[in-house]
This record gives sequence, C-alpha cells and structure tokens, in this order.
Amino acid sequence: GQNIDQPTEMTATEGAIVQINCTYQTSGFNGLFWYQQHAGEAPTFLSYNVLDGLEEKGRFSSFLSRSKGYSYLLLKELQMKDSASYLCAVRAGDGYQLIWGAGTKLIIKP
Amino acid sequence: KAGVTQTPRYLIKTRGQQVTLSCSPISGHRSVSWYQQTPGQGLQFLFEYFSETQRNKGNFPGRFSGRQFSNSRSEMNVSTLELGDSALYLCASSSAGGEADTQYFGPGTRLTVL
Repeated sequence: GQNIDQPTEMTATEGAIVQINCTYQTSGFNGLFWYQQHAGEAPTFLSYNVLDGLEEKGRFSSFLSRSKGYSYLLLKELQMKDSASYLCAVRAGDGYQLIWGAGTKLIIKP
Repeated sequence: KAGVTQTPRYLIKTRGQQVTLSCSPISGHRSVSWYQQTPGQGLQFLFEYFSETQRNKGNFPGRFSGRQFSNSRSEMNVSTLELGDSALYLCASSSAGGEADTQYFGPGTRLTVL
C-alpha cells in the first residue's frame, strides 16, 4: 500500500527553527513535494526533491533520503505568518499520481 | 499570468441533488487534477485529466465524474449527493503532469451538503 506519515501538529516559537518530518512507503518514487496551506486557502508549492540531499530556498530547506523513505522541511527564523499546515506529497507509481500526507499543523507562538 | 480559477467558491446543496464544479487551469497547462479535502483527511485524489483524457483515477465511487475540454478547462460532477460529500474540492493544474511538474492549486469550492 501507499502511506505517508507526518506529525499532526507542532508548536514552535517565533524566531526559532522547526523541523517537520515526513516518512513514506510507496510503490516507486518519482519525487517529493512540500506545500504550505494557510487556513481556508489553497496549498502553495514550497519545494521539490528527487535526489538525496538538502535543497535550500531562503528560510525554508527540504531534505530527502530515498533509502530511508524520509524527508524533512526545515523552517528557520520563524515568523507568525508561518502558522499553517505543511503537506508532504510523493509522486509514485506508474501513473505519476501524487500521494498526500494528512499535513502537519504548525502553530507559532510569540 | 492568471492563476487557477474555480467556480463557484461556495455551494450548498441537499442530499440527492447533483453538482457541477468548474476549474480553469493556468494558461498553457494541460493537466488538471481534482482533490477532495476534509478536516484531518488530507488531500484525497479524485482524478487527473490530460489533453481531454482521464489519465489517473482515485478510489472514489462512480458518482464522482469529470471531464476536460479542448481549452483544458475541466468540470467535476457529483451525482446523488451524500452528507459525507461535504468538503473542499480543489483543482490543480500543471504543464504536462510529468515527474517534476509542480501542481498549482485553485482556491477551491467549498461544498456543503444538507
């Protein structure tokens, strides 16, 4: 079966660093995406990893280990506007369908 | 470039009715995917259309159907609505639906079934 696991909720402090983990078991692997979704809004693209390693994009970085079926999203210098749900999605299988995790709700406290 | 648009944004229906949702992708994008999102469930994949053909399908009953037109606009239809169909329906477009293609989402249609 296809499965993606993320923590349901995390809390962090403004200005701090937080790491959101994502583990996956899928039939085939063709890349992993991270999206941000603010309450009541559509998901917006953050990052894409297909090779092992770290991809850095400003305050956000994403890491992938294909052998471990593991990724994380690292958010630095947290701001209140980073309060949102973060969705992990894996493109797997012959149909290139995206398999989605349930999302991690990140709460930022002052 | 205009983003993905969805109409209507909000819809209230009663059980047994049917509904049609519309999605206009980003200009030049040929792939449109539809998702259902309910609290705590994440995004559940409904189907994907590419060049007017259904290319992938999720595990939803036959009451859920869709189509894509020659201009890449897509519609989704749900017949015989049930209370459990209340959800946010999102469509996402990408240029060709390839491996590295990023999906860009519309604002969604919030459907409430009474």
